[in-house]
Amino acid sequence: DARVTQTPRHKVTEMGQEVTMRCQPILGHNTVFWYRQTMMQGLELLAYFRNRAPLDDSGMPKDRFSAEMPDATLATLKIQPSEPRDSAVYFCASGLRSLAAYTDTQYFGPGTRLTVL
Amino acid sequence: QQQVKQSPQSLIVQKGGISIINCAYENTAFDYFPWYQQFPGKGPALLIAIRPDVSEKKEGRFTISFNKSAKQFSLHIMDSQPGDSATYFCAASMRGSQGNLIFGKGTKLSVKP
Repeated sequence: DARVTQTPRHKVTEMGQEVTMRCQPILGHNTVFWYRQTMMQGLELLAYFRNRAPLDDSGMPKDRFSAEMPDATLATLKIQPSEPRDSAVYFCASGLRSLAAYTDTQYFGPGTRLTVL
Repeated sequence: QQQVKQSPQSLIVQKGGISIINCAYENTAFDYFPWYQQFPGKGPALLIAIRPDVSEKKEGRFTISFNKSAKQFSLHIMDSQPGDSATYFCAASMRGSQGNLIFGKGTKLSVKP
C-alpha cells in the first residue's frame, strides 16, 4: 500500500528555532508538492518539484522558508527562524505527471502539525 | 482568474439527506476538476474527478455535476451518512500547467444521525 510519509507528525518549538520537516513521496512519483493548511487560509501551495528540480516556490516566504529534494526519496521543508504565525499543518503530496497519462492526482501525506510558541 | 470559489463554508445535513457543495471558476483553460475529501487529522484524498467533456460523473453515492457554460461544478452526496462528515475541497488544473491544483477554501460537512 504505497503512501506518502511525513515526519515528524507533530512539532512544538519556540520562536526563532529552526524547523525541518521531511517527506518521502510515493516511489516512482516525479512531482512533490508542499502545502500549508490553516483555518483562515485553507490549503496554500508553498512549493513544488518535478524530477527533483524546483518548479515554483512563489508561495513561500523566501526569507525564512526553504525547500529541497536531496534525492528522489526525500523532500525537506525548512523554516529558519520560525515564528508563531508559521503554526499550521504542513502537507506533502506527490504525483506522477506525464504527457501520456494526463492526471493531476495528488497523494497527500498525513501532515506535520507545527506549533511555534 | 486563478481562483476557485467554493460554497458553502459549512453544511449540516441529516442522515439520508443530500449534501450539495458548489464551486465556480473563471479560467476557461481549466480542464480537470477533482474533489478531495479530508477527515480530521488526515491529509486530503481524491474522492472523484471530472473533465469538461462530460456533464456528470457518478461513483457510488458521489456525483459531480459540471456546467461548462456557467463555469460551475458541484458535488452531490446522496443518502449522506455520518461517516461522510469531513471537509471537502474542490480543485481545478489545466493541461498546460505544471500539474499544480488550485484548491477551493473547503466545506466542512456534518451529517447528523
